[in-house]
Amino acid sequence: DGGITQSPKYLFRKEGQNVTLSCEQNLNHDAMYWYRQDPGQGLRLIYYSQIVNDFQKGDIAEGYSVSREKKESFPLTVTSAQKNPTAFYLCASSISSGGQFYNEQFFGPGTRLTVL
Amino acid sequence: AQKVTQAQTEISVVEKEDVTLDCVYETRDTTYYLFWYKQPPSGELVFLIRRNSFDEQNEISGRYSWNFQKSTSSFNFTITASQVVDSAVYFCALQETSGSRLTFGEGTQLTVNP
Repeated sequence: DGGITQSPKYLFRKEGQNVTLSCEQNLNHDAMYWYRQDPGQGLRLIYYSQIVNDFQKGDIAEGYSVSREKKESFPLTVTSAQKNPTAFYLCASSISSGGQFYNEQFFGPGTRLTVL
Repeated sequence: AQKVTQAQTEISVVEKEDVTLDCVYETRDTTYYLFWYKQPPSGELVFLIRRNSFDEQNEISGRYSWNFQKSTSSFNFTITASQVVDSAVYFCALQETSGSRLTFGEGTQLTVNP
């Protein structure tokens, strides 16, 4: 089945450690996104990538890093510089239509990160 | 800058009641897209509908209907004859022509009680 997978579902980290969240899609989508969701709040964009080997900062990129070496993969690293990393992280992807990205985004099941 | 407001933080209804979730948006673009997503307790967002700014026709899909009014910058979502399985957080989102990012509202927690 086509879809987006994120692993792990739950992740615990000690303060000061970097951690990488996985996101893989087999939908052949060009664009991929990372969002952060805090309790009772909407989603905020961290990073997005429209094509392999290229990505742009979203609204809250500080303390995060990404890579896009393969079309199907867009891992997110939460670094020790992120002051409040405990949150729910959602990965999404969408089709690119001639450079315009108005198609709906499909979301993965999310990773819940807790810093101990 | 674009903004999406969902003024209703929480709504609680009894099964079979109709319920409307409000969404008001702000944008300077003349061409844009509006979306509704459902987030059940499992956490994954489920796409419900996409509507472009030039199409103001209301849409109905089963028990779901959407009312887009450009004059009031609103894109409201109605569930008819609600069911317990409709309990979830519902997000309205805006996408402008200037970029690929979605701007989300803060969501409305809908609880349908049996």
